[in-house]
Amino acid sequence: QQNVQQSPESLIVPEGARTSLNCTFSDSASQYFWWYRQHSGKAPKALMSIFSNGEKEEGRFTIHLNKASLHFSLHIRDSQPSDSALYLCAVSNTDKVVFGTGTRLQVSP
Amino acid sequence: DAGVTQTPRHEVAEKGQTIILKCEPVSGHNDLFWYRQTKIQGLELLSYFRSKSLMEDGGAFKDRFKAEMLNSSFSTLKIQPTEPKDSAVYLCASRDRGTGQLYFGEGSKLTVL
Repeated sequence: QQNVQQSPESLIVPEGARTSLNCTFSDSASQYFWWYRQHSGKAPKALMSIFSNGEKEEGRFTIHLNKASLHFSLHIRDSQPSDSALYLCAVSNTDKVVFGTGTRLQVSP
Repeated sequence: DAGVTQTPRHEVAEKGQTIILKCEPVSGHNDLFWYRQTKIQGLELLSYFRSKSLMEDGGAFKDRFKAEMLNSSFSTLKIQPTEPKDSAVYLCASRDRGTGQLYFGEGSKLTVL
């Protein structure tokens, strides 16, 4: 049974800061790793994904994946107030998708 | 393109009632998921369909929760009978098998009194 954990539970950072969010998983056979972002009262939306070990950058966002450590992370450069949201990591194979409980990020102006 | 549509957006039920939540996935998506979202538990998987076949029935949620996929463009989640602990946001998502990305509806917020 896949177990996905996120840390920290919540985070407050000043505008312009670099933010790091963490996700650990238990099933070493997992293949697909996603970050979703959910603004208050809205639907979760996909932010980024990674499928092989290493790093992937898209704009201000970077994902790191280390399958051997059962860990992946999301880094946000130059955090903006509009980044304030619940961040959900998701892990899957070709089948079901399991989410972490989320990290609530608040970026203060 | 239409995204995932969920109805109703809000539902208030008395304990013991039967409620039915509805979901229309993105056209062409063959995988459909139902999740329950609470602040404490996060997103819990209730059901997962692949090409209308039930692949995952949510284990602990089996007894009072039943999801059905009546055709490739419509799914329902029935909760019977409802209990106050069922108060949560119920999210439906469909998956683009090409990218693996989930597309979520806005959710149905259920309050059970």
